[in-house]
Amino acid sequence: DAKTTQPNSMESNEEEPVHLPCNHSTISGTDYIHWYRQLPSQGPEYVIHGLTSNVNNRMASLAIAEDRKSSTLILHRATLRDAAVYYCILRDGGNNNDMRFGAGTRLTVKP
Amino acid sequence: DSGVTQTPKHLITATGQRVTLRCSPRSGDLSVYWYQQSLDQGLQFLIHYYNGEERAKGNILERFSAQQFPDLHSELNLSSLELGDSALYFCASSVGISGGVNTGELFFGEGSRLTVL
Repeated sequence: DAKTTQPNSMESNEEEPVHLPCNHSTISGTDYIHWYRQLPSQGPEYVIHGLTSNVNNRMASLAIAEDRKSSTLILHRATLRDAAVYYCILRDGGNNNDMRFGAGTRLTVKP
Repeated sequence: DSGVTQTPKHLITATGQRVTLRCSPRSGDLSVYWYQQSLDQGLQFLIHYYNGEERAKGNILERFSAQQFPDLHSELNLSSLELGDSALYFCASSVGISGGVNTGELFFGEGSRLTVL
């Protein structure tokens, strides 16, 4: 399985943007980049995903490098509720039957 | 509310016992995934079923088994329980495969917390 590398932890101030990086140098052409987050005492929730182009939704933006070997999840204005563990996952769009989570990045948001 | 229902929410049992965890996926979702999350550990993928068939196995012990029934609900059976099996067990569902592409985000339930004493 293609693997991802994320920092163990990051800190942000409330109402400031947060850029969460993810390296995936062994990504293949059919791998989609998925982001999930897990709030304390909850199950993970989907944040965003993309293949090649940058993506935006109501929760976040996903910036994908041109060579696709890295990506960045952008929270435009962090709130206290955004404190969570963020997981970057590669998923083969054509032939993948599992979804494996790494250690993720624990984001702390300071008031 | 993700639409995925897991029961029971909490379960306390003794070593050596057997338990069954149940998952009802979102309406229309054909894929069910099971994960284990121990204290301060990441999410470990256990197994994936699609429309009743096993599609992928992860780090699932031989003492554990799962199945997906015709109505698409799934059960995870844990037997000969050990202290180390104490964990949160999450079920997730997704649409599955459409047009040959593995699509869809995963929707997670709230988990079943198993405590083995």
